[in-house]
Amino acid sequence: EAQVTQNPRYLITVTGKKLTVTCSQNMNHEYMSWYRQDPGLGLRQIYYSMNVEVTDKGDVPEGYKVSRKEKRNFPLILESPSPNQTSLYFCASSRATGNTIYFGEGSWLTVV
Amino acid sequence: GENVEQHPSTLSVQEGDSAVIKCTYSDSASNYFPWYKQELGKRPQLIIDIRSNVGEKKDQRIAVTLNKTAKHFSLHITETQPEDSAVYFCAAGDNFNKFYFGSGTKLNVKP
Repeated sequence: EAQVTQNPRYLITVTGKKLTVTCSQNMNHEYMSWYRQDPGLGLRQIYYSMNVEVTDKGDVPEGYKVSRKEKRNFPLILESPSPNQTSLYFCASSRATGNTIYFGEGSWLTVV
Repeated sequence: GENVEQHPSTLSVQEGDSAVIKCTYSDSASNYFPWYKQELGKRPQLIIDIRSNVGEKKDQRIAVTLNKTAKHFSLHITETQPEDSAVYFCAAGDNFNKFYFGSGTKLNVKP
């Protein structure tokens, strides 16, 4: 089954404690990206990757890091989480530019 | 960068009526315009998309129109049903898969 899998789905953490949200897709997609969703603001792109070892900033990259060492994986790293990073995070992938984006199920992150 | 504005933020219609959601974008380089439906607690899912070389696309009760000159595109849902109730997002993307989403429209279809 074609899918985008992200973990953890739910996490409560404390300010400053590094965390990683993993993302994996099994569709051999070149493009992967991370979004955060906040009430009234829709989905905002954090980072995206066009291929292995190629990443670029989206609309709201501050406070986040990503890596793309393998085609299937695109982890999101919060080196020093802060409460304003409390949000719902979605990982997504697509086959190529201008193609359907497939979203993961989302990760609810709370930073206290 | 791109700026996508979506209206209205909430929309309430009677079952069987039509619903129209409108979006505008600012960057003429945007060439791909998908619409997503997000049910409560679930991931966004693509319902229809349109590319800049097409003016209109229809899929059963759903249609999307694009006016490149005016930089706006709209989602039309006819014969609405209660299961159409959800949040709908428009988006504008370019050749580098950089996407900008609208802020969403909460559609409520009353039985």
